[in-house]
Amino acid sequence: GENVEQHPSTLSVQEGDSAVIKCTYSDSASNYFPWYKQELGKGPQLIIDIRSNVGEKKDQRIAVTLNKTAKHFSLHITETQPEDSAVYFCAATKGAAGNKLTFGGGTRVLVKP
Amino acid sequence: EAEVAQSPRYKITEKSQAVAFWCDPISGHATLYWYRQILGQGPELLVQFQDESVVDDSQLPKDRFSAERLKGVDSTLKIQPAELGDSAMYLCASSLPQTGGFGEAFFGQGTRLTVV
Repeated sequence: GENVEQHPSTLSVQEGDSAVIKCTYSDSASNYFPWYKQELGKGPQLIIDIRSNVGEKKDQRIAVTLNKTAKHFSLHITETQPEDSAVYFCAATKGAAGNKLTFGGGTRVLVKP
Repeated sequence: EAEVAQSPRYKITEKSQAVAFWCDPISGHATLYWYRQILGQGPELLVQFQDESVVDDSQLPKDRFSAERLKGVDSTLKIQPAELGDSAMYLCASSLPQTGGFGEAFFGQGTRLTVV
């Protein structure tokens, strides 16, 4: 089955700096890659996703890039703010109905004011 | 804004007791998932429903866990008997099937289970 590895496990950045989280996946058939943000005591919230027919997607301060050949994708957060502090999870799936999301282990991001 | 509803938010139970969690997905979402999230780790799928049918329960410990979605709407996950290792966050998610791809999965707030 699919295996998703996520790095780093923790990331501390100064407010205003950029943060980058990287994930690798094992199943070349995977074609949908969402990113979730989870705040303390809450369920994961989808913040951005990318499908395998595009290489990059941006939404304001966040962007995701996908390298299908290398089987890795990354989340980029620019101009970080204290409210960006949370745990971020990447995930991957083959995308067809009935296929499950496989999550990475998570990255705890701390934005220091 | 439509949300996935879960109850209870918190549950403390003694080992060997039975415990049940309830999930009401977003209206119209045919796909429903139950995930377990151990502290400090990513969610892991326990069971996936498409309408009332189980699509994937390969990671569900069937000797003690059961899940149902009788009318293809809300769902119940049960553990009997609970063990100390079952302490975790139990997350429910739902999605619309999307032609040719994966529909966005929306998560509920989760149920934090503590087994003592």
